[in-house]
Amino acid sequence: NAGVTQTPKFQVLKTGQSMTLQCAQDMNHNSMYWYRQDPGMGLRLIYYSASEGTTDKGEVPNGYNVSRLNKREFSLRLESAAPSQTSVYFCASSRPGQGNYEQYFGPGTRLTVT
Amino acid sequence: AQSVTQLDSQVPVFEEAPVELRCNYSSSVSVYLFWYVQYPNQGLQLLLKYLSGSTLVKSINGFEAEFNKSQTSFHLRKPSVHISDTAEYFCAVTANSGGSNYKLTFGKGTLLTVNP
Repeated sequence: NAGVTQTPKFQVLKTGQSMTLQCAQDMNHNSMYWYRQDPGMGLRLIYYSASEGTTDKGEVPNGYNVSRLNKREFSLRLESAAPSQTSVYFCASSRPGQGNYEQYFGPGTRLTVT
Repeated sequence: AQSVTQLDSQVPVFEEAPVELRCNYSSSVSVYLFWYVQYPNQGLQLLLKYLSGSTLVKSINGFEAEFNKSQTSFHLRKPSVHISDTAEYFCAVTANSGGSNYKLTFGKGTLLTVNP
């Protein structure tokens, strides 16, 4: 099992460029999440997908869109990158229920917007 | 909605000393509680969790945390730390009902630095 994988690991964008961060999990989890991590801010939820076919906004959704492509994959898109979106992005997945509520995290994507 | 406060942003300690990382939460409903650890340039790994039952939960590498409902706390402790415990530690909470979709709310993290 690879767990949760994310691509790319690093990315540098210019202001106004677009890109898609990819996430996939092989644990047959129903729920998937996108977070951003900034120094001193902890992790903040951008979007989540409680199950295949549904997506909902989290705490900081502005400037982002998501697609739950299938049960395995959940992508995050920046349509017009801004310097404020410089951050480390983590994808996570979980299968709530039956005593199993923790989330499993990918290794992260470090994004710099200049 | 839930919130989490980690009272210390940085905790420096010497090797083999005891350590306590403090976490308080706020919630109007019953909760599940978690501690995650993040080593440099890595993702988050689950350290331990409280779902129900015994209020004292333990990890395989010597950490333990105690759920205190009256104090709304879930402090993390280790009696003797190692250099390899240097990492950032995050406390997280979710409501234990499906209405929240089990979203996690994280604290801002505590950087534990173990010095020789």
